[in-house]
Amino acid sequence: EAQVTQNPRYLITVTGKKLTVTCSQNMNHEYMSWYRQDPGLGLRQIYYSMNVEVTDKGDVPEGYKVSRKEKRNFPLILESPSPNQTSLYFCASSSMSSSNQPQHFGDGTRLSIL
Amino acid sequence: AQKVTQAQTEISVVEKEDVTLDCVYETRDTTYYLFWYKQPPSGELVFLIRRNSFDEQNEISGRYSWNFQKSTSSFNFTITASQVVDSAVYFCALSEHGSGNTGKLIFGQGTTLQVKP
Repeated sequence: EAQVTQNPRYLITVTGKKLTVTCSQNMNHEYMSWYRQDPGLGLRQIYYSMNVEVTDKGDVPEGYKVSRKEKRNFPLILESPSPNQTSLYFCASSSMSSSNQPQHFGDGTRLSIL
Repeated sequence: AQKVTQAQTEISVVEKEDVTLDCVYETRDTTYYLFWYKQPPSGELVFLIRRNSFDEQNEISGRYSWNFQKSTSSFNFTITASQVVDSAVYFCALSEHGSGNTGKLIFGQGTTLQVKP
């Protein structure tokens, strides 16, 4: 089954404790990206990747890092999480680095930073 | 600047009513793409439709229909004979062909639809 898998689905942690949210897709997609969803703001892009070893900032990259060492994986790293990073996070992938391809989203990761 | 506005924050209807969700967008690109996604209470995002800027044909898929009007920069979504299972948050999104073709989706704020039995 074609899917984007995120882990963990839920996490409560404390300020400053490094964490990684993993994202994996099994569709051989070149393009992957991370979004965060906040009430009243919709979803905003954090980082994206056009292909292996190619990553770039989205609209709200501060406080986040990513890596793309393999095509299927695109982890989101919070080196020193802060309460303003409490949010619902989505990983997405699509079949080309093209604006017209619908992105397939994971089920979301709900992060609470205390 | 690119922007998507969904002015309706919440809509509540009774089952079997028709309901239209509004979406207005702003872009300077001549080539762009519009999307609708559904987010049910379980939280995942489900792709519903994509529309290209050069194709203004309306589309119908079962109880769902979409009305794309470039003249008013709108891409509205109608659910006919709504059902309780349609209760969800619906997002309209824009992707521009230019801007370095980053693939970024610009989302509206979302409209929460509640369908009561």
